[in-house]
Amino acid sequence: DTAVSQTPKYLVTQMGNDKSIKCEQNLGHDTMYWYKQDSKKFLKIMFSYNNKELIINETVPNRFSPKSPDKAHLNLHINSLELGDSAVYFCASRQGLSNQPQHFGDGTRLSIL
Amino acid sequence: AQSVTQLGSHVSVSEGALVLLRCNYSSSVPPYLFWYVQYPNQGLQLLLKYTTGATLVKGINGFEAEFKKSETSFHLTKPSAHMSDAAEYFCAVSTTFNNDMRFGAGTRLTVKP
Repeated sequence: DTAVSQTPKYLVTQMGNDKSIKCEQNLGHDTMYWYKQDSKKFLKIMFSYNNKELIINETVPNRFSPKSPDKAHLNLHINSLELGDSAVYFCASRQGLSNQPQHFGDGTRLSIL
Repeated sequence: AQSVTQLGSHVSVSEGALVLLRCNYSSSVPPYLFWYVQYPNQGLQLLLKYTTGATLVKGINGFEAEFKKSETSFHLTKPSAHMSDAAEYFCAVSTTFNNDMRFGAGTRLTVKP
């Protein structure tokens, strides 16, 4: 029943490892997003895909690579994890026009040891 | 580019008191404005939105906000705070010309018994 679901919910790993976070939405939306929320709750947009095409690519280290196999999925792969990557990562989706709200997943809390 | 500023990173009210969370936006074109709430360890949930039409918009949980173009503001209010309102609140803006949404830094609302 969940509209936007992310897995895993928690991810604890060591520096230098590679990890992936998966996101799926069952709302039929055509646009999906990745956000990073730091310890001060600041939300920063990272990427956005519309119909599987990358449309927003903010200043993010190229260790972060999004992949959208279809409109309903947007995954985030992170190479060579660093301490500063510790944060909560949120996936969101929206249908069409910019006057529509975004729907958020519950987040993935990434902790780097 | 559009942006929002939330005045006050932390607001504390007594149960039953008025809640007022401030948001000012900057946009060179007509904005679409949103308020989201984030409860601990959860994603963002839409409270209300303004796109066009009536400038006073009502949302869930008894919240409402008024769009004031002359003041470039979209403040969130609730007549009587409840303990369950304690959360982080985010104001956000988007426009027709952007596919992304820009969030404010958030305001943490504490409700005292």
